[in-house]
Amino acid sequence: KNEVEQSPQNLTAQEGEFITINCSYSVGISALHWLQQHPGGGIVSLFMLSSGKKKHGRLIATINIQEKHSSLHITASHPRDSAVYICAVQGANSGGYQKVTFGIGTKLQVIP
Amino acid sequence: KAGVTQTPRYLIKTRGQQVTLSCSPISGHRSVSWYQQTPGQGLQFLFEYFSETQRNKGNFPGRFSGRQFSNSRSEMNVSTLELGDSALYLCASSLVRDRSGYTFGSGTRLTVV
Repeated sequence: KNEVEQSPQNLTAQEGEFITINCSYSVGISALHWLQQHPGGGIVSLFMLSSGKKKHGRLIATINIQEKHSSLHITASHPRDSAVYICAVQGANSGGYQKVTFGIGTKLQVIP
Repeated sequence: KAGVTQTPRYLIKTRGQQVTLSCSPISGHRSVSWYQQTPGQGLQFLFEYFSETQRNKGNFPGRFSGRQFSNSRSEMNVSTLELGDSALYLCASSLVRDRSGYTFGSGTRLTVV
């Protein structure tokens, strides 16, 4: 079992729909990141979470530490939101190193 | 303000050669981390440097090494290249460790032939 599981792996939505991408992890973490990668490779860091909820524009990220689960929500989705969304967890400090593990990513396509 | 700059953008090398990639972080950022992305394995963490010291490392062989200079610029070196090292190599910088988000560079696409 992978340490970081994302679902769904592929998602197609109509413009305007509310979208949820889920991330579950199995290790203790110090932080969780949501990243956005557009075709061509450029990665943008959307959120860094260690507890609770963060909002930026139409994007909302939540994390439940007890349940080891995070969600990324996109409200009023738009074709420009089409990208791969990646969850990454920063492991709890162990012997001075914090392992960083990535999910496989969720490919989102928003159709006009 | 300038973003994270990675050079070169594209590189083709032959098996057995070595390669050095460069990453210039955002001015004032002291943490630089490196990642490898391949279609099969996705994104994987290579290592992180902060104040010229390696602070974190992933599960990569010793052929992969790096360093950070006093101006926070970082280099990554891969020796004895293998075909499987073909990948997009990304670096990211952050202001401080652990408590701030990361800004990614556009990456260096390495092809080993």
